[in-house]
Amino acid sequence: AQSVTQPDIHITVSEGASLELRCNYSYGATPYLFWYVQSPGQGLQLLLKYFSGDTLVQGIKGFEAEFKRSQSSFNLRKPSVHWSDAAEYFCAVGAGNAGNMLTFGGGTRLMVKP
Amino acid sequence: DVKVTQSSRYLVKRTGEKVFLECVQDMDHENMFWYRQDPGLGLRLIYFSYDVKMKEKGDIPEGYSVSREKKERFSLILESASTNQTSMYLCASSTNRVGREKLFFGSGTQLSVL
Repeated sequence: AQSVTQPDIHITVSEGASLELRCNYSYGATPYLFWYVQSPGQGLQLLLKYFSGDTLVQGIKGFEAEFKRSQSSFNLRKPSVHWSDAAEYFCAVGAGNAGNMLTFGGGTRLMVKP
Repeated sequence: DVKVTQSSRYLVKRTGEKVFLECVQDMDHENMFWYRQDPGLGLRLIYFSYDVKMKEKGDIPEGYSVSREKKERFSLILESASTNQTSMYLCASSTNRVGREKLFFGSGTQLSVL
């Protein structure tokens, strides 16, 4: 069975600083990988996804993520954080019927200092 | 844009009550999902449905049932609510065609069982 670990429960960064959120997955084959963001009081919104091909994927809101098979990781990055990026971020892995059986990590709550 | 609407933002129920959580989507999506979100545990899949009257158990179906009589509506039922079912419940939908990996989420229902 697949699993996802987000080692950081909370992260605080200053506005304008760079950001990296960690995600490690466990899955026997090539995974489908996702990052979702949840703003306060909202549902989740897809930031980006990886299925195959280029291991560096670009998403919305200036985010990117890199798939590293050797490290079983799919870390999310942003070069310069904005106050509006404060939210909870979820990494997810899917298998087979992508989107039907996603396994989510525990989430990382990002706080942005002015 | 896709809209997934959950009927209640907050619900307070008593132990033993039968609870209905309703979810409606307006984009003719085949797939619908119910997740439960708990701090530190991320999202866990309770049930999903890929067609009217069809349902599949997710990771934590115990204590829950679902109903999908119409394509746009997916109901989660707690037959006899218990305090350990206090949680945030998120409904999601996706197409079964190209792009099915993208889940569209509702804003969630925060259920408290006293």
